[in-house]
Amino acid sequence: GENVEQHPSTLSVQEGDSAVIKCTYSDSASNYFPWYKQELGKGPQLIIDIRSNVGEKKDQRIAVTLNKTAKHFSLHITETQPEDSAVYFCASGGYALNFGKGTSLLVTP
Amino acid sequence: DTGVSQNPRHKITKRGQNVTFRCDPISEHNRLYWYRQTLGQGPEFLTYFQNEAQLEKSRLLSDRFSAERPKGSFSTLEIQRTEQGDSAMYLCASSFRTALSTEAFFGQGTRLTVV
Repeated sequence: GENVEQHPSTLSVQEGDSAVIKCTYSDSASNYFPWYKQELGKGPQLIIDIRSNVGEKKDQRIAVTLNKTAKHFSLHITETQPEDSAVYFCASGGYALNFGKGTSLLVTP
Repeated sequence: DTGVSQNPRHKITKRGQNVTFRCDPISEHNRLYWYRQTLGQGPEFLTYFQNEAQLEKSRLLSDRFSAERPKGSFSTLEIQRTEQGDSAMYLCASSFRTALSTEAFFGQGTRLTVV
């Protein structure tokens, strides 16, 4: 089955700095790549996604890039704020998603 | 609140008991998914429905697990003869399948503890 690897597992940045999380996937048939943010005790919240026919997508401080040839995609958060602190998951697939193990992001004031 | 709703939020049960969880998806979403999440891991796909039809089940869904979506609206997930290894967060998500989008929106989850 599909294998999604996510790095790093933990990331600590200072407020205002950028954060980058990277994922690789194994199934070349995957065509949908969402990113979720999960706060303690809550369900995952979709923050941005990208489809296989697009190389980059941006939404305010969040951007995602996709390299289908290399089978990797990345999440970029600029001007980080303490409220960005959470666990972030990448996923890939079609209707059924395969998730990475998550990155715990800590933004310190 | 028009998001995905799951009940109960928490469930503690003794080993060997049966439990049932309920998920109410976003109105008019035709797809509904169940995932399981253990501590420190990402969600793992269990099964999904399109309307009332259960179209796929993961190998993680043992014979003790059964899911239904009788009228294509809410869904239930039942676990029979619970085991300690069933302790996890059970997440429900829904989406509206279109040609352009399959964004799945998750509920808050039901945390199951088997003692």
